[in-house]
Amino acid sequence: SQTIHQWPATLVQPVGSPLSLECTVEGTSNPNLYWYRQAAGRGLQLLFYSVGIGQISSEVPQNLSASRPQDRQFILSSKKLLLSDSGFYLCAQMRQGGNGYTFGSGTRLTVV
Amino acid sequence: DQQVKQNSPSLSVQEGRISILNCDYTNSMFDYFLWYKKYPAEGPTFLISISSIKDKNEDGRFTVFLNKSAKHLSLHIVPSQPGDSAVYFCAANNAGNMLTFGGGTRLMVKP
Repeated sequence: SQTIHQWPATLVQPVGSPLSLECTVEGTSNPNLYWYRQAAGRGLQLLFYSVGIGQISSEVPQNLSASRPQDRQFILSSKKLLLSDSGFYLCAQMRQGGNGYTFGSGTRLTVV
Repeated sequence: DQQVKQNSPSLSVQEGRISILNCDYTNSMFDYFLWYKKYPAEGPTFLISISSIKDKNEDGRFTVFLNKSAKHLSLHIVPSQPGDSAVYFCAANNAGNMLTFGGGTRLMVKP
């Protein structure tokens, strides 16, 4: 079965501080991985996706970046957080069979 | 350009009645559709899906209907239960690597 681990569950960071959110997955080799953000009262916005180690595609230009140092590890980073970076961040992987995603439990980020 | 739209941001239904959540799409290349359910502070969980070769798929209390000519799908929940209260997202896939999500509909089922 596919399992996604995301941490931390909640995070409060000051404006201008760095960010690192980690996602690790189990159950599939060479999975397609995704970072989504849900801002308050909004839908799911795709931020980055990766089809393999070192391969990152960005959907929305912003001050966030992503990296995939290992097959089953996907990291979301920022050098300097903005207030607008607050939101609920979700990691996802493509389900086996190729239709739909399995999501992690998410990280609630509040930038103050 | 929103390719998948959920025009109702919220819906309130009495327990035991039917909940109908709607979703419209514009891209005729979409060939697979999914519904996800999301509780606060949790990741979305897969609920039900439908391939474009079908017009209906049923799983217990949940039924998804697809009208390709109208580019419309709907999720029916019968009977609705208080535990169904959540945000529901529809999503569409065009055989690529990514899903396109709607903006979500918050369902509130009143006891």
